Amino acid sequence: DAGVIQSPRHEVTEMGQEVTLRCKPISGHNSLFWYRQTMMRGLELLIYFNNNVPIDDSGMPEDRFSAKMPNASFSTLKIQPSEPRDSAVYFCASSFVQETQYFGPGTRLLVL
Amino acid sequence: DQQVKQNSPSLSVQEGRISILNCDYTNSMFDYFLWYKKYPAEGPTFLISISSIKDKNEDGRFTVFLNKSAKHLSLHIVPSQPGDSAVYFCAASLLYNTDKLIFGTGTRLQVFP
Repeated sequence: DAGVIQSPRHEVTEMGQEVTLRCKPISGHNSLFWYRQTMMRGLELLIYFNNNVPIDDSGMPEDRFSAKMPNASFSTLKIQPSEPRDSAVYFCASSFVQETQYFGPGTRLLVL
Repeated sequence: DQQVKQNSPSLSVQEGRISILNCDYTNSMFDYFLWYKKYPAEGPTFLISISSIKDKNEDGRFTVFLNKSAKHLSLHIVPSQPGDSAVYFCAASLLYNTDKLIFGTGTRLQVFP
């Protein structure tokens, strides 16, 4: 299996622009997670889905962030408008429900 | 408010010696704990876990110890190898909901020859 696939791997954008991060989970997994990594806060869970349904979005920092999972093999995390403080590494992970989470390689986002 | 804390941002250990990485948590409801390892430009990978019914779990060179009364866990790596150089994240959850992991800020381990 190819593992969790994320795109793009790197994104540089200007403040105010829309950013869309993409994730393809491991085939067969029914849980999908979005995390953000910063030096100050470590790895933070933003939102997770079970069977394509959002279960907990309490980690989403504000309304500028939104996530969708239209089907079992694709999810997006969107930031609109982006701000410099959104600069971080964003990870997607997938698993079977309540099982070990497998992380993708991450998207490094820089907002200027 | 960090519920899971890794107070040492970095640790340097000589090859062959023991590496001890520490983690503290504040939420007494947590009853499942994990360690993940992360190499540069890669995502974290699961290393070892422990539930609160145990105080020790061992897997090869890696052992996790849990002290519930102190709300403290530690990861021991014996013997340390250069390939163990990575960032180690501690995470905690409720046993009935291991989907919702709360991670610490990570400790960078460097093992030198």
